[in-house]
Amino acid sequence: DADVTQTPRNRITKTGKRIMLECSQTKGHDRMYWYRQDPGLGLRLIYYSFDVKDINKGEISDGYSVSRQAQAKFSLSLESAIPNQTALYFCATSVRGAGGELFFGEGSRLTVL
Amino acid sequence: GQQVMQIPQYQHVQEGEDFTTYCNSSTTLSNIQWYKQRPGGHPVFLIQLVKSGEVKKQKRLTFQFGEAKKNSSLHITATQTTDVGTYFCAGRWTYKYIFGTGTRLKVLA
Repeated sequence: DADVTQTPRNRITKTGKRIMLECSQTKGHDRMYWYRQDPGLGLRLIYYSFDVKDINKGEISDGYSVSRQAQAKFSLSLESAIPNQTALYFCATSVRGAGGELFFGEGSRLTVL
Repeated sequence: GQQVMQIPQYQHVQEGEDFTTYCNSSTTLSNIQWYKQRPGGHPVFLIQLVKSGEVKKQKRLTFQFGEAKKNSSLHITATQTTDVGTYFCAGRWTYKYIFGTGTRLKVLA
């Protein structure tokens, strides 16, 4: 089983719908991240969380919200999806402290029609 | 805000040729990491550089961190078809990592 699990892996939805992408991890890491990948733009940070009570905005948080339900769970929500939110979304984790490598989930491909 | 630019965006090489990707930051970095993403896969950590002027090698891969800690490079010697994928640098400021735009490498057999 993967250490960082994302659900759903693929989702097609319509403009205006609410969508939640879920991430769970068994690595015991404190830090969790949501990134968005678009062709030619690399990976852009949406939100990051260093523990259950510490959530921070990243580069592109507008239109997104997150919830850290437990140390192992970090969810990303799109309250009202729009077509330019069509992308590949990655959850990642890292250990506490400087220089921890990021461990990525398999990704969630979201298409907004 | 912080930005990390990476060039080239694409590179096609013949198997056996060398490959280099460059990463440039708008500000001084705490450290830099490199990741590889295979087609259809997720990014996987390769290495981290912390010190000014640091050079690290992993078999055919050589990683460098600039003296000013604002740029970095990844060089692959004698590419193989298994090197295909997108290579990302990720620069660290305070507590977060900002990724470069990536270089997609194709290796022609």
